[in-house]
Amino acid sequence: RKEVEQDPGPFNVPEGATVAFNCTYSNSASQSFFWYRQDCRKEPKLLMSVYSSGNEDGRFTAQLNRASQYISLLIRDSKLSDSATYLCAAGASGSARQLTFGSGTQLTVLP
Amino acid sequence: EPEVTQTPSHQVTQMGQEVILRCVPISNHLYFYWYRQILGQKVEFLVSFYNNEISEKSEIFDDQFSVERPDGSNFTLKIRSTKLEDSAMYFCASSVGTGHQPQHFGDGTRLSIL
Repeated sequence: RKEVEQDPGPFNVPEGATVAFNCTYSNSASQSFFWYRQDCRKEPKLLMSVYSSGNEDGRFTAQLNRASQYISLLIRDSKLSDSATYLCAAGASGSARQLTFGSGTQLTVLP
Repeated sequence: EPEVTQTPSHQVTQMGQEVILRCVPISNHLYFYWYRQILGQKVEFLVSFYNNEISEKSEIFDDQFSVERPDGSNFTLKIRSTKLEDSAMYFCASSVGTGHQPQHFGDGTRLSIL
């Protein structure tokens, strides 16, 4: 069964903290990886793609470990507006790369 | 920034009725998708569509469901003979390509079956 697993949290952190989320995937054929954020009852919004070499976008850093089949997201200097559910998604090889989502990790940044 | 737009935002329907959910993908995107999210659960893939035909579909996407792109702009999901368990958020997504090209999601249609 193709699964993507995440720690559901919740993670409650103070403003300014650094927080890290991990996500594991079971399908070794997965080729593409993404982090999305989802606010309550809203659509998943793309946060960043995850590349083999790791990538950074401002306060956000994503890493991929293919050998261990996990991806991670690091948020530095967290803001109140970072409060959301963070979804990791994996796309398998194939014609149209359907995404398999994890159940999400809930983050609350506290003032 | 271009967006995927979905209508209606909320659809309430009696069990057994047919519903059509509409989506306008981002204009230069070639791949289109439907996902659903039952309240409190994961986002689940339903179907992908490319070059006017279904590319992949999940086991959820049975004969009750169909998709089409009738006018080159709207991408629709039809659910025939709706059941209570079809109640969910339905998200349309599109991408310019596959592989590392990310999928961009519309803001969803909340479907409530009574």
